[in-house]
Amino acid sequence: DTGVSQNPRHKITKRGQNVTFRCDPISEHNRLYWYRQTLGQGPEFLTYFQNEAQLEKSRLLSDRFSAERPKGSFSTLEIQRTEQGDSAMYLCASSPRDIVAYEQYFGPGTRLTVT
Amino acid sequence: AQKVTQAQTEISVVEKEDVTLDCVYETRDTTYYLFWYKQPPSGELVFLIRRNSFDEQNEISGRYSWNFQKSTSSFNFTITASQVVDSAVYFCALSEAQYGDKLIFGTGTRLQVFP
Repeated sequence: DTGVSQNPRHKITKRGQNVTFRCDPISEHNRLYWYRQTLGQGPEFLTYFQNEAQLEKSRLLSDRFSAERPKGSFSTLEIQRTEQGDSAMYLCASSPRDIVAYEQYFGPGTRLTVT
Repeated sequence: AQKVTQAQTEISVVEKEDVTLDCVYETRDTTYYLFWYKQPPSGELVFLIRRNSFDEQNEISGRYSWNFQKSTSSFNFTITASQVVDSAVYFCALSEAQYGDKLIFGTGTRLQVFP
């Protein structure tokens, strides 16, 4: 069974450009999460899905951020009009159960650098 | 308010020493879950343990052990006979039942094990 995969692994973009990241969860995991991690900090929750439904969004997720999971499998996170403050590692995780707080399995992350 | 505090920013030990990583949490919920994750230099978060608020039994897994004390709101992690491969950043995290599945992470403790 393969783990959570994320693409691209690295992205460098100029301020003002749009970027999109993809996450493929572990097969049959119905919960998918996005977190953001900046240098020297722990990951911060952004949003999560159960199947295709987006159940919660953090205040960190401004209107420039949008996430989708159209068929309940892979997910995309788009950032519009990127700002330098968006530079971070974007982590995706998945969880196999419907019960609360099952352990989350993380992917390798996408490192975004906004110049 | 939900909060996880890892007061130790960085710890350095010599191989074979025992080391304890501290974690203190704050929650108003009576049902909550505590986690430890390891983030090696490669960057991918690795799940280590999940504990619910109703289970205060300490747990041992090989060289790893965890001490959960509700009276002091602590969930400490001990590595016995540390090895160079244990070098990583370790994160403690909290999930509260009433707030769904999101993980609230501490700022992490960087452990360096020298040969």
